[in-house]
Amino acid sequence: EIVLTQSPATLSLSPGERATLSCRASQSVSTYLAWYQQKPGQAPRLLIYDASNSATGIPARFSGSGSGTDFTLTISSLEPEDFAVYYCQQRSNWPLTFGGGTKVEIK
Amino acid sequence: EVHLVESGGGLVQPGGSLRLSCAASGFTFSSYSMNWVRQAPGKGLEWISYISSSSSNIYYADSVKGRFTISRDNAKNSLYLQMNSLRADDTAVYYCAREIVLKYWGQGTLVTVSS
Repeated sequence: EIVLTQSPATLSLSPGERATLSCRASQSVSTYLAWYQQKPGQAPRLLIYDASNSATGIPARFSGSGSGTDFTLTISSLEPEDFAVYYCQQRSNWPLTFGGGTKVEIK
Repeated sequence: EVHLVESGGGLVQPGGSLRLSCAASGFTFSSYSMNWVRQAPGKGLEWISYISSSSSNIYYADSVKGRFTISRDNAKNSLYLQMNSLRADDTAVYYCAREIVLKYWGQGTLVTVSS
């Protein structure tokens, strides 16, 4: 099973700041990595797929990069609605696995 | 518009069974693989099962293998999860989601396993 480790667990930032979230895989997943945003009481929302492709309707301030074992989700300038939990997920191997999540909270 | 609606959750005793359903609309259901993903209260996301569009390929997480069964009825645009031998650690919100790039999710249905 591929283990995804997200860091940091919590990121405390102010609106307008840049957020950089990390996801590290226990073995290569090529670029088969996605990022999701989840707000309390809501289902997750796909932000980025295949490491760097934005899902439909996702604002340009969200971007993804990386390949192999190291991946990054960047939010260029935090908007109030971006404070949420973010998960990475790999589809390179079965079982599909998720990272433990990074909570982006208001500082 | 793609719409996924889960149902069938509720309170069940340990060792009991429950069948979840996911009603799909807004797309050609028979052309897409489907998944079940769960989230225990206050915890992260856990993928638990996958079924291909024709049901020819099925996968399970080790945590539910042998206890849960995924199935689909393409004529009824519906996905199912039969859950047997339920345990307290199966308590979670259960989501259905389309494809292995989980672009579309339902709103989830809560399953509580408790005596």
